[in-house]
Amino acid sequence: EAQVTQNPRYLITVTGKKLTVTCSQNMNHEYMSWYRQDPGLGLRQIYYSMNVEVTDKGDVPEGYKVSRKEKRNFPLILESPSPNQTSLYFCASSLWVATNEQFFGPGTRLTVL
Amino acid sequence: GENVEQHPSTLSVQEGDSAVIKCTYSDSASNYFPWYKQELGKRPQLIIDIRSNVGEKKDQRIAVTLNKTAKHFSLHITETQPEDSAVYFCAAPREEGNLIFGKGTKLSVKP
Repeated sequence: EAQVTQNPRYLITVTGKKLTVTCSQNMNHEYMSWYRQDPGLGLRQIYYSMNVEVTDKGDVPEGYKVSRKEKRNFPLILESPSPNQTSLYFCASSLWVATNEQFFGPGTRLTVL
Repeated sequence: GENVEQHPSTLSVQEGDSAVIKCTYSDSASNYFPWYKQELGKRPQLIIDIRSNVGEKKDQRIAVTLNKTAKHFSLHITETQPEDSAVYFCAAPREEGNLIFGKGTKLSVKP
């Protein structure tokens, strides 16, 4: 089944404790992206990647890191989480550039205490 | 850079009525305009998209219209049903091949 997976789905952590949210797609998509969703603010892009080893900042990259060492995986790293990073996170992928259908993962609900 | 504004932020209609959500964009070179639907607790999913070489596209009860001169595009849902209740997002491309999303419209369809 073609899909985008994310893990974990839910996470409660404390300020400063490094964490990684994994994202994987099995559709051989070139483009991958991370978004955070907050009430009233819609989907804001954190980082995106057009291809392996190519990553770029989105609109709200501060406090986040990503890597794209292989096509299928695009992990999101929070080196030192803070309470303002409490949010719902979505990973998405599309065949190539974003002007094609984006397939979203199921989301990760993160709470930073 | 591209900016997308979406209105209204909330919309309540009676079952069977029509619903219209409008988005405006700033970059006249934009050529792809998708709409995503996010049901409560679920992930966003593409429901319809339009490219700039057409003015309207329909898929059963949903349609999207594009006015390139005025730089706006709209989602039209006819004969609304309770299962249409969701958050709808419009989006437009940015010059680097990326997408920017609107802030979303929460549609409530009352039985």
